[in-house]
Amino acid sequence: QIALKESGPTLVKPTQTLTLTCTLSGFSISSYRVAVGWIRQSPGKALEWLALIYWNDDKRYRSSLKSRLTITKDTSKNEVVLTMTNMDPLDTATYYCVNRLITPMGAYDAFDMWGQGTMVTVSS
Amino acid sequence: DIQMTQSPSSLSASVGDRVTITCRASQSISSYLNWYQQRPGNAPNLLIYAASTLQSGVPSRFSGSGSGTDFTLTISSLQPEDFATYYCQQNYDTLFTFGPGTKVDFK
Repeated sequence: QIALKESGPTLVKPTQTLTLTCTLSGFSISSYRVAVGWIRQSPGKALEWLALIYWNDDKRYRSSLKSRLTITKDTSKNEVVLTMTNMDPLDTATYYCVNRLITPMGAYDAFDMWGQGTMVTVSS
Repeated sequence: DIQMTQSPSSLSASVGDRVTITCRASQSISSYLNWYQQRPGNAPNLLIYAASTLQSGVPSRFSGSGSGTDFTLTISSLQPEDFATYYCQQNYDTLFTFGPGTKVDFK
């Protein structure tokens, strides 16, 4: 059973660094074509893609947040970690870990598996 | 950056209605367009990818069409579980931009 589960703090203070962990089950982050990423959703707002890491350690970042984001993978723990520096109240959101779609025809950059999401509030 | 717009932003419909949602990209994205459904309190669920390919397990009443800049999601006969918000998302470039969403609620 493929699943992704987010973990991390529910409350951070402005200027602090947020670290979120996505624990994968049922598949390996090091398997060919696998890519895992992060998407957030501020309360009542639309979805915003943040970052993606591929099985071969290639990485992609949202350009407007690139200076604040780092995505890494730990193959021994089968985890993907997102760090976001200099947190601001505007970063208050539910953060989702997502998995790229892989079909018999190949991989495709749509997100077919989502974690339950973790709500992060930025407040002093 | 590629901007995605959706229309309408919300609509009211009844069970059994045919519902059409439109998504437009600010430049051509070929068929690199996906659709998601999000029910309140839940994570989004992938419905359609590559503009018209139905994701495994998604009911056949959902369909997608379009290419270039204009795309459509159609629900042929609205069911009670379909009342939700729908998002389009482009993967033509690696910003993976989402549209603002279309909320479908009860008439």
